[in-house]
Amino acid sequence: EAGVVQSPRYKIIEKKQPVAFWCNPISGHNTLYWYLQNLGQGPELLIRYENEEAVDDSQLPKDRFSAERLKGVDSTLKIQPAELGDSAVYLCASSAIQGTGELFFGEGSRLTVL
Amino acid sequence: GNSVTQMEGPVTLSEEAFLTINCTYTATGYPSLFWYVQYPGEGLQLLLKATKADDKGSNKGFEATYRKETTSFHLEKGSVQVSDSAVYFCGEGGTSYGKLTFGQGTILTVHP
Repeated sequence: EAGVVQSPRYKIIEKKQPVAFWCNPISGHNTLYWYLQNLGQGPELLIRYENEEAVDDSQLPKDRFSAERLKGVDSTLKIQPAELGDSAVYLCASSAIQGTGELFFGEGSRLTVL
Repeated sequence: GNSVTQMEGPVTLSEEAFLTINCTYTATGYPSLFWYVQYPGEGLQLLLKATKADDKGSNKGFEATYRKETTSFHLEKGSVQVSDSAVYFCGEGGTSYGKLTFGQGTILTVHP
């Protein structure tokens, strides 16, 4: 069974440029998460989807970050414009059963903003 | 809000040494508790979990017991191997349905 797939693995951009990350969850998983992981820190939730509905986006900085999950499968996380402080790893995870915490993570997308 | 505090690292051990990584949490109710592991170059993966007080989660020789009275979920292994070198994250699935809160992670390095 294929795991959670993320792309790109690495991205280097200059500040004020836009960037987008893509995630393909495990087939059949209806819950999808985007987490932010700063260096030396644990992952922090940005947004959680149940199918195509964003049910928890309270930690998403909506002035520059946006996300979508069309048709309740793939998801895209966008930053526009990027700032130096956005340099981090963006993790996507999915789960099949709500609330159990058994999340399956992708390898992450490492963003460097210069 | 809910939070998880882990023992600060990094932790460096010799092969076959005993490992303990402390984890405490703050949450209302009875959250599920987890340990995730991240090997070099890989994504986080679930190591073990416990869903109620006094439960013991175990996997790959690692164990952790859900202690409600001390709000702790310490990770232990009796004899570590070089292949256990990784970053370990404690997490709690609190009262916010579907939300998993992580600690800051503990880097473990095991030398031959």
